Amino acid sequence: AQSVAQPEDQVNVAEGNPLTVKCTYSVSGNPYLFWYVQYPNRGLQFLLKYITGDNLVKGSYGFEAEFNKSQTSFHLKKPSALVSDSALYFCAVTPDSARQLTFGSGTQLTVLP
Amino acid sequence: DAGVTQSPTHLIKTRGQQVTLRCSPKSGHDTVSWYQQALGQGPQFIFQYYEEEERQRGNFPDRFSGHQFPNYSSELNVNALLLGDSALYLCASSVPGLNEQFFGPGTRLTVL
Repeated sequence: AQSVAQPEDQVNVAEGNPLTVKCTYSVSGNPYLFWYVQYPNRGLQFLLKYITGDNLVKGSYGFEAEFNKSQTSFHLKKPSALVSDSALYFCAVTPDSARQLTFGSGTQLTVLP
Repeated sequence: DAGVTQSPTHLIKTRGQQVTLRCSPKSGHDTVSWYQQALGQGPQFIFQYYEEEERQRGNFPDRFSGHQFPNYSSELNVNALLLGDSALYLCASSVPGLNEQFFGPGTRLTVL
């Protein structure tokens, strides 16, 4: 069975500073990894995915994520945070694109002006 | 393109009642998955429908059932509601070979 850990419930960062939201995973075989963002009372919005290829994946709104197979990690990053980036971020994994996603518990990102 | 739509937006029920939630997938998508997101938690997979059949199921009791129609829209039914069923129910659509699921805005179910 697959699992995802997001070790930080809350991340605070000053506007303009770089941000990192951590994610580690466990899955049999090669992972399909995703980051989603959720704003209050809204569904999930897709940010980026890793399927294969380059370990650095670029996504929407200036976000990127680095896949590290040896550390089984897929941390979300952004070079310069915006106040509007404040939201709940979820990492998800699946061993097969046709199968269900397993989500982490989420990390609340707050960007302070 | 209308994306994934869900209805209703909010719903209030009492314990023991039954509820039906509805989902219309993104245009061209034939696979629908349902997730339950309790307050403060990540979404949990309930089941997935493809070609009108339940293809996968998560760790949810039989009180949770579903259906997919020929036009690929889907329903989630929950019988004998419990207080613990209060959650945001998310629908996601995809197509085979597409390495991404598109989520709807969700239905907020409150059980009193």
